[in-house]
Amino acid sequence: GAVVSQHPSWVICKSGTSVKIECRSLDFQATTMFWYRQFPKQSLMLMATSNEGSKATYEQGVEKDKFLINHASLTLSTLTVTSAHPEDSSFYICSASNTGRPNNQPQHFGDGTRLSIL
Amino acid sequence: GENVEQHPSTLSVQEGDSAVIKCTYSDSASNYFPWYKQELGKRPQLIIDIRSNVGEKKDQRIAVTLNKTAKHFSLHITETQPEDSAVYFCAASQQGGYQKVTFGIGTKLQVIP
Repeated sequence: GAVVSQHPSWVICKSGTSVKIECRSLDFQATTMFWYRQFPKQSLMLMATSNEGSKATYEQGVEKDKFLINHASLTLSTLTVTSAHPEDSSFYICSASNTGRPNNQPQHFGDGTRLSIL
Repeated sequence: GENVEQHPSTLSVQEGDSAVIKCTYSDSASNYFPWYKQELGKRPQLIIDIRSNVGEKKDQRIAVTLNKTAKHFSLHITETQPEDSAVYFCAASQQGGYQKVTFGIGTKLQVIP
């Protein structure tokens, strides 16, 4: 149980393209999902908290107009990197916890999306 | 906000030896401490976690200890094997799925056969 599916796993595209990444909780409901960015050999940096039915909460320094988050259902959150540029190249990973479980922990991660902007 | 410090950043041990990774946290409200293992290019996977009402937890070769007073928690891996080689992250949060998880910088563990 507690499987989080993330798609696509790898994206290579030209500069200026917008890229959408999906994060789905397959066997549980997730009122809240989290989006992280990870640079090579570094830790996971929280970008934003995705809240079902309301606006996402962005961490300091993360541009909300650059990284659009939509959490339209209890099992799906999307992250859209708008007008992506080479500096946006990174490993993006989502996580979710089962809001139906006591204490709602632990977080379960998707497989991640490796984004390469040419 | 929460700040989690982790050390060492790299650790090499001989196969069969023990490995210890230490973390400290700053927010006394944090009460849930998971440890994740991440292999290259893959998702972080939860290997063990501990809640603040427990001082120690063990699962086969892996154990975690927590000192709430000192705000320290540690991961202990005994009888290390080459497949234990990975990056390990400690983390801290408050219980509840709405609470964000703060990660340490990670420890790259290399087990030498």
